[in-house]
Amino acid sequence: QLQLQESGPGLVKPSETLSLTCTVSGGSISSSSYYWGWIRQPPGKGLEWIGSIYYSGSTYYNPSLKSRVTISVDTSKNQFSLKLSSVTAADTAVYYCARLVRTDYRLDYWGQGTLVTVSS
Amino acid sequence: DIQLTQSPSFLSASVGDRVTITCRASQGISSYLAWYQQKPGKAPKLLIYAASTLQSGVPSRFSGSGSGTEFTLTISSLQPEDFATYYCQQLNSYLFGPGTKVDIK
Repeated sequence: QLQLQESGPGLVKPSETLSLTCTVSGGSISSSSYYWGWIRQPPGKGLEWIGSIYYSGSTYYNPSLKSRVTISVDTSKNQFSLKLSSVTAADTAVYYCARLVRTDYRLDYWGQGTLVTVSS
Repeated sequence: DIQLTQSPSFLSASVGDRVTITCRASQGISSYLAWYQQKPGKAPKLLIYAASTLQSGVPSRFSGSGSGTEFTLTISSLQPEDFATYYCQQLNSYLFGPGTKVDIK
């Protein structure tokens, strides 16, 4: 059974860089059938797409976050990572990693999510 | 830019009720639409993709329909475990709708 697990600091200071890693188990991140993505959800609000990556390293970012987002992949560790720079309180959210099926982009497996709070 | 709207934003219903949620796109998106269910404190769960295809393991009381700009998610007989928030998503742009909360009447 595929599992995804987010990890990283739960508290980040304003203007600093948020860094999270998603570890994939029960399947290979190098499969040609999938992309891997990040989604976030501010407390009490809806879902926001952040971006996605293919095992080859090609990426797609939400245009509204593109200037601050970097997503990378480490196939040797079966992990992919998110960096979001110059964070503010508005970036406080639960961050989810997920698997996208390449044929239709559906998000079929999700991590449990991790809350990141931006505060000094 | 394409916008997604959902109606209603909030729905109060009873166990056994037939429930319909609508998602509208500001431009045609063919059948590139998915529906997710989210319970408090949990990750979203995929219910429907390609507008009408039921994800493996999802109960058959859930169904989806539509194409172009108007889509519906129907729960044929609401069960206690179905009280949750439902989101539509345009699949090829990753945009999510604002959500519909289904609560107990």
